[in-house]
Amino acid sequence: NAGVTQTPKFRILKIGQSMTLQCTQDMNHNYMYWYRQDPGMGLKLIYYSVGAGITDKGEVPNGYNVSRSTTEDFPLRLELAAPSQTSVYFCASSYAGPYEQYFGPGTRLTVT
Amino acid sequence: QQQVKQSPQSLIVQKGGISIINCAYENTAFDYFPWYQQFPGKGPALLIAIRPDVSEKKEGRFTISFNKSAKQFSLHIMDSQPGDSATYFCAASILGGYNNDMRFGAGTRLTVKP
Repeated sequence: NAGVTQTPKFRILKIGQSMTLQCTQDMNHNYMYWYRQDPGMGLKLIYYSVGAGITDKGEVPNGYNVSRSTTEDFPLRLELAAPSQTSVYFCASSYAGPYEQYFGPGTRLTVT
Repeated sequence: QQQVKQSPQSLIVQKGGISIINCAYENTAFDYFPWYQQFPGKGPALLIAIRPDVSEKKEGRFTISFNKSAKQFSLHIMDSQPGDSATYFCAASILGGYNNDMRFGAGTRLTVKP
């Protein structure tokens, strides 16, 4: 049981490039989340999903897109990377709603 | 708009001492208040959580105190150990609400000196 896995661990992007952050969970959780963590700012919710085919915006969705075609996977897409998207990104999952969320190890993204 | 305010930003405690981290919230509809612990290079992990129908919850050395009228809650770590050194986040959410988002505080970096 690997829990929540994220790839890549680190990535450097040039301004305007695109990339997809991968997230997979093996706990059969319905709810999945993407957060960004900036120093001194806590975690901000980008997008979440309550099940396959259902996604919704969180607090800071601009510049990002998501899809949920399976229960296990919840990729986060950055289309035109900007320096403001430099952050650590965490994927999380939970069985039901905002109860205990299980977090992945994070992806550190730098946009230069 | 910061809905959960956390203090202090950083805290240094001697081994065996009590660590206290405070949070205040604005939205009275919040009804679930978890604390997450994060070690460097790792994702946050749930430490302890409380619902507003109780004023205190204790799990081992960790206690949440909750004051509904003041819209405040705090984490107390008794007999703090160097292994407790981590960043702690308080959070708040509405269970069963339309929005499934959790609002996090800015975090407190705790250092326990041996």
